[in-house]
Amino acid sequence: NAGVMQNPRHLVRRRGQEARLRCSPMKGHSHVYWYRQLPEEGLKFMVYLQKENIIDESGMPKERFSAEFPKEGPSILRIQQVVRGDSAAYFCASSPVARPPQYFGPGTRLTVT
Amino acid sequence: ELKVEQNPLFLSMQEGKNYTIYCNYSTTSDRLYWYRQDPGKSLESLFVLLSNGAVKQEGRLMASLDTKARLSTLHITAAVHDLSATYFCAVFGNEKLTFGTGTRLTIIP
Repeated sequence: NAGVMQNPRHLVRRRGQEARLRCSPMKGHSHVYWYRQLPEEGLKFMVYLQKENIIDESGMPKERFSAEFPKEGPSILRIQQVVRGDSAAYFCASSPVARPPQYFGPGTRLTVT
Repeated sequence: ELKVEQNPLFLSMQEGKNYTIYCNYSTTSDRLYWYRQDPGKSLESLFVLLSNGAVKQEGRLMASLDTKARLSTLHITAAVHDLSATYFCAVFGNEKLTFGTGTRLTIIP
């Protein structure tokens, strides 16, 4: 059983561009969580999705950020008009039920130049 | 809002020594998790603590949970270089994990 997959692993964007981060949960997992880790800091919760539904987006900035988890395909975290402060590692985690354990992907490291 | 605090933030210790990392949290929870993160890598699950008084051990690491004190500890016995990493505790509440600030552990030969 493959683990949580994220791509790309590294992403470089110029200020003002869009960033799309993808997360494929483990097989049989319908709950997906996105976390952001700024350099030298801990992980901060961004959004919790279940297939086709956003359950909790309390940790996601109101502007420029959006997330989806369609019926088919991976979960997408989209950042529009990126700024330097968006540079971070973005981790996706999945679980089969609405409680841990959550299994983490390898992360996408976004650099905004 | 759930707050999770770890201390110390940085820890340098010599090989062979013992030390403890502390994790305090602000609201009632009976689910606490410890993770390890190596530089540039993802999180590796170490321990899951699900009840008051729970104790788990794996090799030189031992974790415990006191839900009444809202405190978990990660004890390192006879440290070895391979244990150098950043360690996070995380508490589950309101359908999400809230992570501590992390403890960066460096083991010095």
